[in-house]
Amino acid sequence: QSALTQPASVSGSPGQSLTISCTGTNSDVENYNLVSWYQHQPGKVPKLIIYEANKRPSGASSRFSGSQSGNTASLTISGLQAEDEADYYCCSYGGDITFLYVFGPGTKVTVL
Amino acid sequence: QVQLVQSGAEVRKPGASVKVSCKASGYTFTTSDINWVRQATGQGLEWMGWMNPNSGNTVYAQKFQGRVTMTRNTSISTAYMELSSLRSEDTAVYFCAKMRGAAYSSGWAPWGQGTLVTVSS
Repeated sequence: QSALTQPASVSGSPGQSLTISCTGTNSDVENYNLVSWYQHQPGKVPKLIIYEANKRPSGASSRFSGSQSGNTASLTISGLQAEDEADYYCCSYGGDITFLYVFGPGTKVTVL
Repeated sequence: QVQLVQSGAEVRKPGASVKVSCKASGYTFTTSDINWVRQATGQGLEWMGWMNPNSGNTVYAQKFQGRVTMTRNTSISTAYMELSSLRSEDTAVYFCAKMRGAAYSSGWAPWGQGTLVTVSS
């Protein structure tokens, strides 16, 4: 199972867009569009915001979007709002051989 | 509505075991895998493993192999995660989470409220 890397922190002003990357160290991310993203606000339960790299579950804000290119998945937050301040984790599924999952280390988003 | 409710906080001594429960409601328990994730204080999310409530089949993260056991009681729609040989580094909030759809890539929602396990002598 690959390790995933994310920037430790990113920041932006209200209304801006920002992007968080999630890079796999081997082919796990590249071969499968199986990356999901979770938002974890302090004191709350993690919330699924993107699955299968670019799909948004019902209830997730349309300001969240996902993409993937090669071994890097990305989460973009558009129209940044104060409520978006949270930790964001990517999670990759290794496919139907390993059946294993791995989280990235998380990215702290600060709204200035 | 679909809901996962976990058992309350636990305190254990090093070397002991702890068993956390996760009671499902609002859907047919045997139709969705349950995953377990933990977060130590100041650390990120860490995936521990998953269990198929229908078959009882499990897959564990390598880090926890030999120390974790995931089971279920289908008659009461409850999943369990037992961690043994506890050490201080296992102090964390433990979450259960339901796989959303049939595909392993469908993501996890909802999550249980979390159970704080404190390991201290």
